[in-house]
Amino acid sequence: AQSVTQPDIHITVSEGASLELRCNYSYGATPYLFWYVQSPGQGLQLLLKYFSGDTLVQGIKGFEAEFKRSQSSFNLRKPSVHWSDAAEYFCAVGANDYKLSFGAGTTVTVRA
Amino acid sequence: KAGVTQTPRYLIKTRGQQVTLSCSPISGHRSVSWYQQTPGQGLQFLFEYFSETQRNKGNFPGRFSGRQFSNSRSEMNVSTLELGDSALYLCASTAGGTDTQYFGPGTRLTVL
Repeated sequence: AQSVTQPDIHITVSEGASLELRCNYSYGATPYLFWYVQSPGQGLQLLLKYFSGDTLVQGIKGFEAEFKRSQSSFNLRKPSVHWSDAAEYFCAVGANDYKLSFGAGTTVTVRA
Repeated sequence: KAGVTQTPRYLIKTRGQQVTLSCSPISGHRSVSWYQQTPGQGLQFLFEYFSETQRNKGNFPGRFSGRQFSNSRSEMNVSTLELGDSALYLCASTAGGTDTQYFGPGTRLTVL
């Protein structure tokens, strides 16, 4: 069975600074990997996804993620954070069975 | 294209009652998945339906059930509600083949 670990529960970053959120997955084959963002009281919005091919994927809102098979990681990055990026971020892994396994999430606080 | 819609957005029930939540997928999407989100357990997969058939089921008691209609709309039902069923219930739809799930805004269920 697949699983996801997000080591950081909470990250605080200054507006304009760079952001990196860590994600490690466990799965025997090449997984489908996703990052979602959730604002308080809202559903999940898909930021980006990785299925195969280029290991650096671009997403919406200026986010990108890099798949590293050797490290079983799929870290999310943004070069310059905006106050509107304050939210909770979830990494997820799928195995083509329409069942996503999610990490516990990382809450991002942006300070002025 | 309209996104995933869920009704109602908020529900308050008492212990022992039952509840039905509704989900309308993105037009053309035939797979619908349900997740429960709580502060303690995070995001957990409930079940997934495709063409009116349940294809995958998570580790939840039999009080949690669902169904899908011929127009791909889905409902989930929770019988004999317990306090621990208080959660945000999220529905997601998938076009098929890639596990890319698009989420609705969720239904916030409070059990008193």
